[in-house]
Amino acid sequence: NAGVTQTPKFRVLKTGQSMTLLCAQDMNHEYMYWYRQDPGMGLRLIHYSVGEGTTAKGEVPDGYNVSRLKKQNFLLGLESAAPSQTSVYFCASSYVRQNNQPQHFGDGTRLSIL
Amino acid sequence: GQNIDQPTEMTATEGAIVQINCTYQTSGFNGLFWYQQHAGEAPTFLSYNVLDGLEEKGRFSSFLSRSKGYSYLLLKELQMKDSASYLCAVRDGATNKLIFGTGTLLAVQP
Repeated sequence: NAGVTQTPKFRVLKTGQSMTLLCAQDMNHEYMYWYRQDPGMGLRLIHYSVGEGTTAKGEVPDGYNVSRLKKQNFLLGLESAAPSQTSVYFCASSYVRQNNQPQHFGDGTRLSIL
Repeated sequence: GQNIDQPTEMTATEGAIVQINCTYQTSGFNGLFWYQQHAGEAPTFLSYNVLDGLEEKGRFSSFLSRSKGYSYLLLKELQMKDSASYLCAVRDGATNKLIFGTGTLLAVQP
């Protein structure tokens, strides 16, 4: 059982380039999330999805777009990368039918923007 | 506003007990989670509290006081592998989103 899988694991981009981060989960979870983690800032929610075909903004959505075309996949896009987007990106998923269900995290994508 | 406070760093000795505190202020409350995160790895779930009191899980216990906006994670019989960051996260009752603290970096020394 793979859980939550993120690709790629590492990437270096130049300012202005675009890229897509892929998150896949095999636990049949309804909810999926994208976070960024920066030193001294904790995990901050970028966008999230409550089901296939739906997305919503989190705390820090500017400069990012997302899509959830299939229940098991959640894509995070950077249209024009900026150095301020250098970070570690984590995808997570969860059930929501019971409140005690935790979010399960992928291993992260380390992204550097030069 | 929403705010979660944890100590930035703590040091403890192998075999000892350590308590990591978390205080929170959110617009609503619908549960508190503790996660462990080793350097360069994903956060992994440790415990969940929604009612006041202590939840025990092996060497780890977590306590919640909703009236005080306070929780702690208690780690007993510390092992070197417990060196990690410990993240406190509160589920906001209004939005159902998780709000994370900045984490407490615990160093376990021999």
